[in-house]
Amino acid sequence: ETGVTQSPTHLIKTRGQQVTLRCSSQSGHNTVSWYQQALGQGPQFIFQYYREEENGRGNFPPRFSGLQFPNYSSELNVNALELDDSALYLCASSLDGVVDTQYFGPGTRLTVL
Amino acid sequence: LAKTTQPISMDSYEGQEVNITCSHNNIATNDYITWYQQFPSQGPRFIIQGYKTKVTNEVASLFIPADRKSSTLSLPRVSLSDTAVYYCLVGDQIKAAGNKLTFGGGTRVLVKP
Repeated sequence: ETGVTQSPTHLIKTRGQQVTLRCSSQSGHNTVSWYQQALGQGPQFIFQYYREEENGRGNFPPRFSGLQFPNYSSELNVNALELDDSALYLCASSLDGVVDTQYFGPGTRLTVL
Repeated sequence: LAKTTQPISMDSYEGQEVNITCSHNNIATNDYITWYQQFPSQGPRFIIQGYKTKVTNEVASLFIPADRKSSTLSLPRVSLSDTAVYYCLVGDQIKAAGNKLTFGGGTRVLVKP
């Protein structure tokens, strides 16, 4: 167990809808990163938040957005869902400034119909 | 970021040793080599990290030759529960906690009875 939790576990949406995924970081971790993992591929970096500010972004359009809260929980929001957004969404928490790894949650499986 | 190349899949049998080699020809001086394990519908889990020569922990060993252009993850006496995808990553350890992780396609290891 990594101490990182995500909700919901599974989610089904239709094209054009909006979705919010949630992540609770490991206690004390001030950095959260979000990844998208399509079936059969490795996780792809979406963006990272450090102390409630976006701190780096991968090659994803602006309809992917996020929030990090003072208690270090976070959200990933995706607007105008497309079929290709169907994937496993992973969050990973870490403690910036400490030589350490990132701890991943179990992920949210999003299916867009 | 250094690109990594690893075999797509490997089959093994219970009790055997599994060795997965990863190529990273353009690894930088500050880069460390990190391996993650991922079970289906779960987030990746940190296995081991090293810079040069050999690193061993309770789960695996990591062998890195002097030129550091490749590395080999060794899983001793695998069991069925070691069936997973194994990812090799290369990056600056000091920034590891705050940096994005770049995953390749990974190696799918199937352990047979």
